[in-house]
Amino acid sequence: GENVEQHPSTLSVQEGDSAVIKCTYSDSASNYFPWYKQELGKRPQLIIDIRSNVGEKKDQRIAVTLNKTAKHFSLHITETQPEDSAVYFCAASALNFGNEKLTFGTGTRLTIIP
Amino acid sequence: DAGVIQSPRHEVTEMGQEVTLRCKPISGHNSLFWYRQTMMRGLELLIYFNNNVPIDDSGMPEDRFSAKMPNASFSTLKIQPSEPRDSAVYFCASSEGLAVISYNEQFFGPGTRLTVL
Repeated sequence: GENVEQHPSTLSVQEGDSAVIKCTYSDSASNYFPWYKQELGKRPQLIIDIRSNVGEKKDQRIAVTLNKTAKHFSLHITETQPEDSAVYFCAASALNFGNEKLTFGTGTRLTIIP
Repeated sequence: DAGVIQSPRHEVTEMGQEVTLRCKPISGHNSLFWYRQTMMRGLELLIYFNNNVPIDDSGMPEDRFSAKMPNASFSTLKIQPSEPRDSAVYFCASSEGLAVISYNEQFFGPGTRLTVL
């Protein structure tokens, strides 16, 4: 089955600086890579996703890059703000008819230092 | 839409007791997922349904766990008998399903925090 590794497990950055979280996956059939943000005591919420037919996707201050050959993808947050403090999870899925299973990474606790 | 609804939000029970968690997916969503979240194991998929049919239950820990989806608007996750190691936050999530191939976001419910003493 799919195995997703995520690094680092914790990350502290100064407000205004950039943060990068990296994930690797094992199943070459995976073609969908979402990122979820979970604030303390809250539910995970999708913040951005990318499919294997593109190499990069941006949405305001967040971006995700994908390297299919190396089987890794990354989340980039620029101009970090205090409200970016949360746990971020990457995930991978081999979307095909009949299976939407997401395999999650172990999470990165991001702390923005004011 | 009220989003995914879960009940109860908190459950404290004693070892050996039966526990039933409930979930109402977003109306119109065809897929429903049950996850367990712990510090040690992170976010794990237990089982998921598409059109009320179980598709992947490979994450169900053991026979003590069972899940049902009798109709499109309701699902249960049952633990019988419960054990202290089952203590975790259990999330239900729903999505539009693979029929809408361009959009597969899973929307999570608020979770049920289960404590087994």
